[in-house]
Amino acid sequence: KNEVEQSPQNLTAQEGEFITINCSYSVGISALHWLQQHPGGGIVSLFMLSSGKKKHGRLIATINIQEKHSSLHITASHPRDSAVYICAVSSYNTDKLIFGTGTRLQVFP
Amino acid sequence: GAVVSQHPSWVICKSGTSVKIECRSLDFQATTMFWYRQFPKQSLMLMATSNEGSKATYEQGVEKDKFLINHASLTLSTLTVTSAHPEDSSFYICSSIPRLATSYEQYFGPGTRLTVT
Repeated sequence: KNEVEQSPQNLTAQEGEFITINCSYSVGISALHWLQQHPGGGIVSLFMLSSGKKKHGRLIATINIQEKHSSLHITASHPRDSAVYICAVSSYNTDKLIFGTGTRLQVFP
Repeated sequence: GAVVSQHPSWVICKSGTSVKIECRSLDFQATTMFWYRQFPKQSLMLMATSNEGSKATYEQGVEKDKFLINHASLTLSTLTVTSAHPEDSSFYICSSIPRLATSYEQYFGPGTRLTVT
């Protein structure tokens, strides 16, 4: 079993839909990261969370430390949101990241 | 925001040659840089941790003589794939942690696609 699990693996949506991607982890963490990888390959860091909730534009990330679970929400999805979204955790006392397998999102107009 | 660049963005080389990939933090100093590789439709795999002024720490199963890492300054780390073979073809990504970071933020480079023919 992977230490970081994401669901779903693949997701398709119509433009405008509300999207949720889930991440569960089994290790103690210092922080959880949500990353976005576009087809060209480059990775953008969207959020880093250690508690609570963060919002940036149409993106919202939440984390429940007790349940070891995080969600990434996209409101009013757009075709340009199509990408792979990766959850990664920094385990205690280390800068190393443990990655989930990613969620491939396609948003159709 | 913090910017990390990689050069080249893509490279094609012949089997048996060596290829050097550079990772630079453009507007901050980085004491720690990570090197990852990614196969198609798979997640990132950590290859090694590079600390300025010291030897890199390689993950289990990564050949240190094959993937030479040098972190000569606070803004530059290089990965050299020596005697490249087609199975080394992959997407290589670096990330950097700012020297004065107060959190676990990491900044990723845009990646380098290596094709060995």
